[in-house]
Amino acid sequence: EIVLTQSPGTVSLSPGEGATLSCRASQSVSSSYFTWYQHKPGQAPRLLVYGASSRATGIPDRFSGSGSGTDFTLTISRLEPEDFAVYYCQIYDISQVTFGGGTKVEIK
Amino acid sequence: EVQLVESGGGLVKPGGSLRLSCTTSGFTFSGAWMTWVRQAPGRGLEWVGRIKSGGTTNYAAYVNGRFTISRDDAKDTLYLQMNSLKDDDTAVYFCAADVPGRGVGELDYWGQGILVTVSS
Repeated sequence: EIVLTQSPGTVSLSPGEGATLSCRASQSVSSSYFTWYQHKPGQAPRLLVYGASSRATGIPDRFSGSGSGTDFTLTISRLEPEDFAVYYCQIYDISQVTFGGGTKVEIK
Repeated sequence: EVQLVESGGGLVKPGGSLRLSCTTSGFTFSGAWMTWVRQAPGRGLEWVGRIKSGGTTNYAAYVNGRFTISRDDAKDTLYLQMNSLKDDDTAVYFCAADVPGRGVGELDYWGQGILVTVSS
């Protein structure tokens, strides 16, 4: 079973700053099957990036995904107030789906 | 507009059963792979299982035969039958849809979630 480890667990930043979120897989995975989500309390999670680097419909271009193999990154270039949330990575497998533990981006 | 609305949650005693429903609209349900994800209090997202178009199912290991996912394509509705519930099944349960046409395995649309509390 693939394990996804996200870091940092929590990051404190100010609006306008950039954020770099990391997700490391326990073994090499296909970029095609790698996804990022945003989740705010009391709301439905929101698809941000699929295929490691493709933005979902309606996602602002300040969000970008990159990476391959075991190391993937979500970059938020300039944090807007609405970007403070928890971010999860996810990998698809033929028999299961795995989420990372999440990174909370909080207001400093 | 795409909508996924979960229902059927509530308080149940350990060992009890509950059936969640997820009523959908705005996309071609019959072609979507449908998934249940849960979030226990203070924890992250955790995959429960999925049902592919056509009916094949996969489950997380911790389900251990206790949960069954099914779908009714005529009603555009997804179900999660949960039996032998334990305290640590307490969570908000989300349904989500993977629709064909983009990547592979991403969950394009999500419901708002429904709370299941297992407690005596």
